[in-house]
Amino acid sequence: KAGVTQTPRYLIKTRGQQVTLSCSPISGHRSVSWYQQTPGQGLQFLFEYFSETQRNKGNFPGRFSGRQFSNSRSEMNVSTLELGDSALYLCASSLVQGLTTDTQYFGPGTRLTVL
Amino acid sequence: AQSVTQLGSHVSVSEGALVLLRCNYSSSVPPYLFWYVQYPNQGLQLLLKYTTGATLVKGINGFEAEFKKSETSFHLTKPSAHMSDAAEYFCALGGGGSQGNLIFGKGTKLSVKP
Repeated sequence: KAGVTQTPRYLIKTRGQQVTLSCSPISGHRSVSWYQQTPGQGLQFLFEYFSETQRNKGNFPGRFSGRQFSNSRSEMNVSTLELGDSALYLCASSLVQGLTTDTQYFGPGTRLTVL
Repeated sequence: AQSVTQLGSHVSVSEGALVLLRCNYSSSVPPYLFWYVQYPNQGLQLLLKYTTGATLVKGINGFEAEFKKSETSFHLTKPSAHMSDAAEYFCALGGGGSQGNLIFGKGTKLSVKP
């Protein structure tokens, strides 16, 4: 079974631009979560989607948004990019939503650099 | 509030030596705990998880962890380190209730000396 895939793997943007990252979960998984990883803040939860609905959200500004499609694929968007948005963005999928016993499987991440 | 603390941002061991990575948690609900490993330029790979039941959990690559409620700890061990174990290790706590998010510790970078 194919793992979680994320595209693109690397992105370079300039301040003020916007960016869209894509995540395809493992086949059959219906929940997708997004995390931001930076050297200073570590791994921080962005949001979780299940059945095309945002079920849970972390403490990030409204510039960060996401959506999920009927095939469970998810996208996240960051508008008006800031230098501090440079990070590795990780997507994780799991079978069900909101069940913390369920294992989250992570993709390889998208490395975003904001200049 | 739920939180995870990993003691030691860097740990260095010799090949063949015991690996011990420390994790303490704080949770107001029964904790579900995970250890993930991250190799350079890669995502996170699950090593093992504790939900309920047996407190000694065995994972992949010879790692194991013991859940100790009285000490609010979930330390990761491996009897004999290999060079291939060099990576960053993250302890994570299930968000609890209906929240499916993971709360991560800051990570511990493991170096293995030949």
